[in-house]
Amino acid sequence: GAVVSQHPSRVICKSGTSVKIECRSLDFQATTMFWYRQFPKQSLMLMATSNEGSKATYEQGVEKDKFLINHASLTLSTLTVTSAHPEDSSFYICSARMGPRTDTQYFGPGTRLTVL
Amino acid sequence: RKEVEQDPGPFNVPEGATVAFNCTYSNSASQSFFWYRQDCRKEPKLLMSVYSSGNEDGRFTAQLNRASQYISLLIRDSKLSDSATYLCVVEHITGGGNKLTFGTGTQLKVEL
Repeated sequence: GAVVSQHPSRVICKSGTSVKIECRSLDFQATTMFWYRQFPKQSLMLMATSNEGSKATYEQGVEKDKFLINHASLTLSTLTVTSAHPEDSSFYICSARMGPRTDTQYFGPGTRLTVL
Repeated sequence: RKEVEQDPGPFNVPEGATVAFNCTYSNSASQSFFWYRQDCRKEPKLLMSVYSSGNEDGRFTAQLNRASQYISLLIRDSKLSDSATYLCVVEHITGGGNKLTFGTGTQLKVEL
């Protein structure tokens, strides 16, 4: 099946710093990528949808100025958590899909962010 | 009301048991339905799609009832390796493309 990687897998940072997470589709071109967040014992919550070459669409309640998403190529999307705070500590998972209306999303292994 | 609701469990069952999970969804316009499996601190992995006609994959059987907006997953002959959280997932079409909505998951623990 298709492979999606995320880097880093784990990051610990101080409050106030910015953290960048990369999501790559390794063996296919992803026109659409999604960013999810999962807090302990909760469901995955969609944060934003990004289509290559256009601005990301953010879900209600997600601050676009805090969570910067860039989908500059068909194989790479980045999520930058700006001025991170302890409440941003979570499991961030990306997924990639070949087109906006195809069925299957391929998930990355996730990035565990801990903000001290 | 949550868009996708599941009993969080945990369901503790002995090896070899049959266990059933249920899920309800609120958006009647939902198009596609899935069960995902998520191991602790890992990403979710697609277990199977769910169809109205019911579908089976080895020990796993999934069923969809659109009228009741209800989805089920049956696991027969449980193995220790089935221990995980099972996520009910619903897909619907929006202006920006198809979106997945995840349930909170049902935790399964299979014991010796």
